[in-house]
Amino acid sequence: QKEVEQNSGPLSVPEGAIASLNCTYSDRGSQSFFWYRQYSGKSPELIMFIYSNGDKEDGRFTAQLNKASQYVSLLIRDSQPSDSATYLCAVNRGSTLGRLYFGRGTQLTVWP
Amino acid sequence: EAGVVQSPRYKIIEKKQPVAFWCNPISGHNTLYWYRQNLGQGPELLIRYENEEAVDDSQLPKDRFSAERLKGVDSTLKIQPAELGDSAVYLCASSSPTLAGGDTDTQYFGPGTRLTVL
Repeated sequence: QKEVEQNSGPLSVPEGAIASLNCTYSDRGSQSFFWYRQYSGKSPELIMFIYSNGDKEDGRFTAQLNKASQYVSLLIRDSQPSDSATYLCAVNRGSTLGRLYFGRGTQLTVWP
Repeated sequence: EAGVVQSPRYKIIEKKQPVAFWCNPISGHNTLYWYRQNLGQGPELLIRYENEEAVDDSQLPKDRFSAERLKGVDSTLKIQPAELGDSAVYLCASSSPTLAGGDTDTQYFGPGTRLTVL
């Protein structure tokens, strides 16, 4: 089982819709969770991090964490074509603070 | 504030040749990371430095890869000799503990070096 798994995608949503990106992780001791956005040919760019159960909102983005289910998600409201990118989920395991384990990413396309 | 700087941005070499990548982290960030990202995959950590000390190099293929971070600022990652399977994007990231003082070290990535081995 991989450390971090993301829904395979690609995900395609119309402009203005809600995009939902999901991620599960294997290490129950994981402490912090990150969502990065990566445009084609570019480096990962941090969108949000979360380390407490529940929701965390930042503008159009909401991260949701459920440690009991080992599940973290990212919701993008009012999706825009500029949101089209690959979204990487990353997990910082408690035993190896500093090392991020990345999923392989979910490619999102927002069509006008 | 300047971000993480990497050079070169692109490198094409023939197999068995050596290659080196350079990284300058965000000013004041004492933790530096080298990741490798294969096509269609997420980044995978190669080595992590806390100041000058390599504190996590368990995933670094030490037979051909080496890294250094002299004076705890800039870092160089070297491959010698390169193999076809080393073709990837090599990402450098840096971090500093959050202002809240938690264990969450937010990592900021540089633009990467795209290596092609022929």
